[in-house]
Amino acid sequence: EVQLVESGGHLVQPGRSLRLSCSSSGFTFGNYIMNWVRQAPGKGLEWVGFIRNKAYGEATEYAASVKGRFTISRDDSKSIAYLQMDSLKPEDTALYYCTRDGSNGYYFFDYWGQGTLVTVSS
Amino acid sequence: SYELTQSPSLSVSPGQTASITCSGDDLGNKYGSWYQQRPGQSPVLVIYQNIKRPSGIPERFSGSKSGNTATLTISGTQTMDEADYYCQAWDTSTGVVFGGGTKLTVL
Repeated sequence: EVQLVESGGHLVQPGRSLRLSCSSSGFTFGNYIMNWVRQAPGKGLEWVGFIRNKAYGEATEYAASVKGRFTISRDDSKSIAYLQMDSLKPEDTALYYCTRDGSNGYYFFDYWGQGTLVTVSS
Repeated sequence: SYELTQSPSLSVSPGQTASITCSGDDLGNKYGSWYQQRPGQSPVLVIYQNIKRPSGIPERFSGSKSGNTATLTISGTQTMDEADYYCQAWDTSTGVVFGGGTKLTVL
């Protein structure tokens, strides 16, 4: 059974950093593109970014709203994806989901974690 | 930046057909997906690559596309289908894009 479990979310002050983790099981992690998607309270879904697998050089892509502040990485030996968030802003407050891309190149998300809540506030 | 447009809400009676639309420039040349999000739960993929249904998704869910408008159709809508529905596509300039979501009410 595919499982994605996010962790690391909590209350943080504006300008500070936070690292989220996504622990995966039930599939060959190294074969898949992994994404982060967020949802602000009461709002819709917003894609944050993704990291390709090793075969594609672990290349990353980011939404314009987080580019230059957020970094996605992966450790295939541990089946974990990370989201490093720097220079956090109040508008980054959201539930952050880890998702698996269902098929390299088609960009759809076939499995989602339960999310981890990040609150940016002084 | 690329945008996908959905109507904010739709209301249907149980047993009726619900049609949720999503429009965007050149969407006709992109692959689209649809997600269901029930209150307090994570989103679930219900349609991918425009028309394909993942295993475990009921046959009453179907996807189609005409020109630059994609449609999620729920035939014989049930009360358990009440949820927010999001369309999604990939744009080479913007990246992954979600529509604003449609709140489906079944009553």
